[in-house]
Amino acid sequence: EAGVVQSPRYKIIEKKQPVAFWCNPISGHNTLYWYLQNLGQGPELLIRYENEEAVDDSQLPKDRFSAERLKGVDSTLKIQPAELGDSAVYLCASSFTHQETQYFGPGTRLLVL
Amino acid sequence: DQQVKQNSPSLSVQEGRISILNCDYTNSMFDYFLWYKKYPAEGPTFLISISSIKDKNEDGRFTVFLNKSAKHLSLHIVPSQPGDSAVYFCAASGGGSGTYKYIFGTGTRLKVLA
Repeated sequence: EAGVVQSPRYKIIEKKQPVAFWCNPISGHNTLYWYLQNLGQGPELLIRYENEEAVDDSQLPKDRFSAERLKGVDSTLKIQPAELGDSAVYLCASSFTHQETQYFGPGTRLLVL
Repeated sequence: DQQVKQNSPSLSVQEGRISILNCDYTNSMFDYFLWYKKYPAEGPTFLISISSIKDKNEDGRFTVFLNKSAKHLSLHIVPSQPGDSAVYFCAASGGGSGTYKYIFGTGTRLKVLA
C-alpha cells in the first residue's frame, strides 16, 4: 500500500514569491493534516481536513497561507508571499478518521532566500 | 507553553543494550499517546501508541510505559540496534475537546553504537 505522497521534496525560492505544496494521502483516508516542522522542533498542526471540509485551521496564518482539498482526496498548501521565516519542513499526514493513527509523508523542505 | 516535553535532546546507547526515551506532559486531559521515529529527510513513522486506560503496551522490541500520576511516559527499546538510530518524537492527544490534535515534543536523537 502506497504511503502519503508529497511533492516537491525540496523547494528554494526568493522571499515574496509564491509557493505551493501538494499532498496525496493514503487511499481511503478521510482525514488529512498539514503540519509545519521548524528545525529542532516537533511538528505543529496547521490545518486538518475531514474530507473536503477544513475543520481545524486555527493555527494557519491566514494572511499568507491557504489550503484546499477540493475533492476530498489530494490537498494543496500555498504560501503567498513567502517570508524568510517560512523556511521549514511542511509535512502532510492522513488517517482513516480523526480518531485513528496519523501517517506522515516525507515532507517538503522549503528554503526562502 | 510546551505541553509535551522531551528534556533529553540526545542519547547514546551501545548495541544490544536498552534504550530508554522519556517524555513528560502537562495537560492531564491527554488520553492518547504515541511515539514516532524519524530518519533524516523522511517523515515521522508511527512506532507505538498507548491509551490512558493502560499503563503498558508492547510491540516486539518496543514497549511504552505510561505513568498518569507523574504525567510521564517512556519508550524502551530492547535490544537496541544500529538501525534504531533516529530522532524519536512523543505526541499526545485528547484534552477533552475531541479534536484529536497531536501535540508533539521536540524529539530525542538516539544513537546506537555498534
